[in-house]
Amino acid sequence: AQSVTQLGSHVSVSEGALVLLRCNYSSSVPPYLFWYVQYPNQGLQLLLKYTSAATLVKGINGFEAEFKKSETSFHLTKPSAHMSDAAEYFCAVSEGQAGTALIFGKGTTLSVSS
Amino acid sequence: EPEVTQTPSHQVTQMGQEVILRCVPISNHLYFYWYRQILGQKVEFLVSFYNNEISEKSEIFDDQFSVERPDGSNFTLKIRSTKLEDSAMYFCASSERAGGRTDTQYFGPGTRLTVL
Repeated sequence: AQSVTQLGSHVSVSEGALVLLRCNYSSSVPPYLFWYVQYPNQGLQLLLKYTSAATLVKGINGFEAEFKKSETSFHLTKPSAHMSDAAEYFCAVSEGQAGTALIFGKGTTLSVSS
Repeated sequence: EPEVTQTPSHQVTQMGQEVILRCVPISNHLYFYWYRQILGQKVEFLVSFYNNEISEKSEIFDDQFSVERPDGSNFTLKIRSTKLEDSAMYFCASSERAGGRTDTQYFGPGTRLTVL
C-alpha cells in the first residue's frame, strides 16, 4: 500500500525566506503525488501534482515540487514566503485499483512571521 | 469559479442517531468522494462513487455508512447509528473525469460532525 510521510508537523519561516516542506512516499508502483493547501475554514485546494510528465512541477502561488525517485521524495518549496502562505499543507499519493483514493500525510502547518 | 459546497458546516448529534451530510459537487464532475479527518489526525479516504455506484471504499466505510446521489446535484453520506469516534471533519470532493490516479479532486469546506 502507498503511504506518505511529512517530516515536521510545524514549520516557521520569516517573510521572504525559503519555504521547504518535506514529503517522502512509499509506493510499490510509480506514484502519482499531490500537494494540497488548506486555509482556515476552507477546503483543501490543489497546489500541484506529479503525474510523471516532468520531475519538476510548478504550481499555484509560486510553489514548486521536485520528484526524486532515488530519494522517494516530493518536497514542496517556495523561494520567498509571504504572509498569505500561512496554512496547512498536505502531501498525498493516489492509491486503489481505480486510483481514486488519495492517501494523505499528517500535514504540515506553515507559519510566516514578519 | 465553480466549487464544491457542503451543508451543514457543523452538525451536533447524539450517539446512536442517524446523520446525513450533504454535498453539491461541481456540476460537470463525474466522480465523487468522501473523506474524513479526526481532530489531530490524517485526512482519510472513505469512499468514491461513480455512475451511481461505489467505485472504491476503505476499511473505515463499514455497514454504518452509505452514500447516495438522490438527484442530479446532491451527493450524501449517511451514518446510520453514530458513535463517539465518528466525530470528525467530513470532506466531500469531486473530479471531472471518470476516475484515474492523476485526476484532480476538488474539495469542499467540510462538515464538522460532533457526536455527544
